[in-house]
Amino acid sequence: AQSVTQPDIHITVSEGASLELRCNYSYGATPYLFWYVQSPGQGLQLLLKYFSGDTLVQGIKGFEAEFKRSQSSFNLRKPSVHWSDAAEYFCAVGAGGSNYKLTFGKGTLLTVNP
Amino acid sequence: ETGVTQTPRHLVMGMTNKKSLKCEQHLGHNAMYWYKQSAKKPLELMFVYSLEERVENNSVPSRFSPECPNSSHLFLHLHTLQPEDSALYLCASSLDRTDTQYFGPGTRLTVL
Repeated sequence: AQSVTQPDIHITVSEGASLELRCNYSYGATPYLFWYVQSPGQGLQLLLKYFSGDTLVQGIKGFEAEFKRSQSSFNLRKPSVHWSDAAEYFCAVGAGGSNYKLTFGKGTLLTVNP
Repeated sequence: ETGVTQTPRHLVMGMTNKKSLKCEQHLGHNAMYWYKQSAKKPLELMFVYSLEERVENNSVPSRFSPECPNSSHLFLHLHTLQPEDSALYLCASSLDRTDTQYFGPGTRLTVL
């Protein structure tokens, strides 16, 4: 069975600083990987996804993530954080052909200081 | 309306009530999902429907009863719930079972 670990429960950064959110997964084959963002009281919005190909994927709102098979990681990055990026971020892994069985991490809450 | 919509957005019910949550997707997708999001816990997949057929029931108690009358609509019928069922219930849809899932805003359920 697949699993996802987001080691950081809560991260605080200053506006304009760079950001990296960590995600480690466990899955026996090539995973499908996702990052979602959730603002308070809202549903999940897809930021980006990796299915195959280039291991550096670009997403919306200036986010990118890099798939590193050797480290079983899919970390999310942004070079300069905006106050509107404050939200909770979820990493998820899908099991290939049974992709509907997404396994989510517990999330990382991002606070942005002015 | 675009995307995935859910109604109501908030619901308070007693343990003996019967209520239903509604989800509608306007994306032309063929698969729909119910998730439960509780505080301090990862999202839990509850049910999956593909082409109106249930393909997954993730050990969900029978007090939760899903219904998918067509590929655009999904319901979650609730009866005799427990306080621990209080959570955010999220609906999602995807083009097919292997494609990216898109989520609705959720229904915040409180069981008294």
